[in-house]
Amino acid sequence: EDQVTQSPEALRLQEGESSSLNCSYTVSGLRGLFWYRQDPGKGPEFLFTLYSAGEEKEKERLKATLTKKESFLHITAPKPEDSATYLCAVQGGNTPLVFGKGTRLSVIA
Amino acid sequence: NAGVTQTPKFQVLKTGQSMTLQCAQDMNHEYMSWYRQDPGMGLRLIHYSVGAGITDQGEVPNGYNVSRSTTEDFPLRLLSAAPSQTSVYFCASSYLPGSGGTEAFFGQGTRLTVV
Repeated sequence: EDQVTQSPEALRLQEGESSSLNCSYTVSGLRGLFWYRQDPGKGPEFLFTLYSAGEEKEKERLKATLTKKESFLHITAPKPEDSATYLCAVQGGNTPLVFGKGTRLSVIA
Repeated sequence: NAGVTQTPKFQVLKTGQSMTLQCAQDMNHEYMSWYRQDPGMGLRLIHYSVGAGITDQGEVPNGYNVSRSTTEDFPLRLLSAAPSQTSVYFCASSYLPGSGGTEAFFGQGTRLTVV
């Protein structure tokens, strides 16, 4: 059974204070690992797809990395507008996405 | 290009009532799915479909029914609403996985309260 565990559940950062979110996973035949951002009252918004260990992707202040057992979402010099819940999901075979419970990030000015 | 459209955005039902949550996508995606999101539980899969005429159960299918008569539409039916079905419901669509995964696009959600 595919499983995703995200940590920490909540993270509070000062503006400019870099940190990382963790996503540990078990999946049979990884097709892709996905990062989403979700703002309150909105649907998840796609950020990144990672396909194989060693892969990295960047977008503005965000950088996602992947190993065989976990993925990290690094946030460099965050701003208050980066405050959101960040969701990690995996897809194995032809099955739908399996999500973690998310990390709620607050960035304080 | 509207993406994934869910209606209604908000709904209050009485216990025992039935209703249909609508989901439509205009991206010609084969894959559509319904999730519910509850505090502390994350997104849990209810039902999914890999194409017209094909549906399958997810993690929490009890009390819900789906059908897929067209590529564009994937309605979710609550047969007899219960307070435990109070949640936010999200519909998502994507292309079928090929050699790699494909990202899913989500609607804005339907917030359902059952009293």
